[in-house]
Order: sequence, then C-alpha cells, then structure tokens
Amino acid sequence: KAGVTQTPRYLIKTRGQQVTLSCSPISGHRSVSWYQQTPGQGLQFLFEYFSETQRNKGNFPGRFSGRQFSNSRSEMNVSTLELGDSALYLCASSFSGGIVETQYFGPGTRLLVL
Amino acid sequence: AQSVSQHNHHVILSEAASLELGCNYSYGGTVNLFWYVQYPGQHLQLLLKYFSGDPLVKGIKGFEAEFIKSKFSFNLRKPSVQWSDTAEYFCAVMRGGSQGNLIFGKGTKLSVKP
Repeated sequence: KAGVTQTPRYLIKTRGQQVTLSCSPISGHRSVSWYQQTPGQGLQFLFEYFSETQRNKGNFPGRFSGRQFSNSRSEMNVSTLELGDSALYLCASSFSGGIVETQYFGPGTRLLVL
Repeated sequence: AQSVSQHNHHVILSEAASLELGCNYSYGGTVNLFWYVQYPGQHLQLLLKYFSGDPLVKGIKGFEAEFIKSKFSFNLRKPSVQWSDTAEYFCAVMRGGSQGNLIFGKGTKLSVKP
C-alpha cells in the first residue's frame, strides 16, 4: 500500500510570491493534516481536512489556506510569502482523524523563500 | 495552552547504553500519546502509541514507553541502543476533540557512538 506522497519535494520561491503544495493521502484515508517544521519552532499544526471540510485549524495567519478534493487529495496554499515561511511542510493522513487513530506522515515539501 | 515538553535537546550515548527520553504534557483531560522518530533524511515514522489500557506500551525496534497519568509523562525507553538508533525523537499528544491536531514536543536528537 502506497504511503503519503507530497509534491513537489523541494521548492524555491521569492518573497511576495505564492505557493501551492500537494498531498495525496494513503488510499482510503479521508483525513489530511498539515504541519510546518522549522528549526526554531519545531513542528506546528496548520489545519486538518476531512471530507473536503476544514475541521480544525492551528494558529497561523490567513495567508495559509488549504482545501481538500473529493478524492481526499489536499492542497496547501501560502500567499504573499515571507522569509519566515521557509520550512519543511509535512502532510499526514489517517482514516478519519479520530483520536484513537494514528497519522502517517509524508516525506514533506521543503520550501525555501529568498 | 497545551504543550509538550521534551527535557533533553541532545543526548549522546555509546552503543549498548540504556536510553530514557523524557516527555511531559500539560493537558489534564483525555489524551492519546505518541512517539515518532525521524532518521536522517527520512520522514517521520511512528514508534509507538498509547490510547488506553496497559500504560506500558511496546513499539517497534525494541522501544517502549510508560504512561504515568499522575505525572503527565510518557517517557521513551530502550534497554540497549544501537548506532542505527541515531535520529530525532518527537513526543506528541492528541487531546480529545482536536481531530488531526498533534501537539509536538521540540524533539530530542539522539546520537549513538559506535
């Protein structure tokens, strides 16, 4: 069974641009969560989608948005990029996101903002 | 706000030494607890998890963790480490009603000397 896949794996953007990252969950999983990992802040929760609806959201500004499609694939968008947005963005999936479930993580997309 | 504390930022051990990594969380309600590992150049992988029942949880690769509710702790242990255990270890908590939202500790980097 294929794992969580994320594209692209690496990305370089400049300040002010926008970026879209993609995540394909494990087949059958309907919950997708996004995390940002930086050396300074560690791993921080961005948001979670289930059945095309945002169900939970972390403390990130509105420049960070996401969506989920009917096939459970999810995209994350960051508008007006700032230098501080440079990070590894991780996607995780689970069957329904319930508290007794385990999330499985993808390899991440490494974003560098210049 | 809920938080997860990992006491040691960097632990250096020789092969065959015993390992204990500390993890404390600040939420008083029902929680599920996880330890993830990130080997160099690889993505996050689940080591073990606690949902309910026996507070001593056994995971992969000889790791185990003990949930002590009165101490809000979930420490990771291994009797004898190997060079291949060199990695970063993350404790994470998911609390009730927060689907998809894992709160991570800052991580502990483990270096095992051959």
